[in-house]
Amino acid sequence: AQSVTQPDIHITVSEGASLELRCNYSYGATPYLFWYVQSPGQGLQLLLKYFSGDTLVQGIKGFEAEFKRSQSSFNLRKPSVHWSDAAEYFCAVGKMDSSYKLIFGSGTRLLVRP
Amino acid sequence: NAGVTQTPKFQVLKTGQSMTLQCAQDMNHEYMSWYRQDPGMGLRLIHYSVGAGITDQGEVPNGYNVSRSTTEDFPLRLLSAAPSQTSVYFCASSSPGIRELFFGEGSRLTVL
Repeated sequence: AQSVTQPDIHITVSEGASLELRCNYSYGATPYLFWYVQSPGQGLQLLLKYFSGDTLVQGIKGFEAEFKRSQSSFNLRKPSVHWSDAAEYFCAVGKMDSSYKLIFGSGTRLLVRP
Repeated sequence: NAGVTQTPKFQVLKTGQSMTLQCAQDMNHEYMSWYRQDPGMGLRLIHYSVGAGITDQGEVPNGYNVSRSTTEDFPLRLLSAAPSQTSVYFCASSSPGIRELFFGEGSRLTVL
């Protein structure tokens, strides 16, 4: 079955500290991988996406993610967290073909300590 | 740049009432979809459409109807609301070659 697991429900980091959010997936073929961010009361904004090629992907707001096929993982990282990064983060997998259907993880809520 | 517009943003219904959540996009996207977001469950696909006149079910379609008479609009209908349909609903759109979903800001529905 296709699925996405985000094992951390909440993560708290201090401002300026590094961040890694975990994402593991189960998918029959090589998927397209996405990270979205949702600020309180807002919609979802795309941080970055991976389709093929270089397994280290750069996104907006200083985020990056690394695709590791052997581990079925697509972890999100940021070297120095800002207070404005406090939000909920969703990993998603899918195929951007005729179906465009994405499977989302349950999300990780990031809290930033001043 | 309107993008994907959802109305209303907030709605309270009583059990058994009906309503329609509206979704419109101005990007001429062929693909549109509805997701619901529940705590601890991420987003789950309700219905989707790959073009005008074509709709299909997603993961959690029960209790919801959709239609796609134009490229721009994709309304979601609740015929008889139930408390289990209390959720935040997101509409999304995309098009071939774009390779990402564009989301609306969401509609928060409470069914009492």
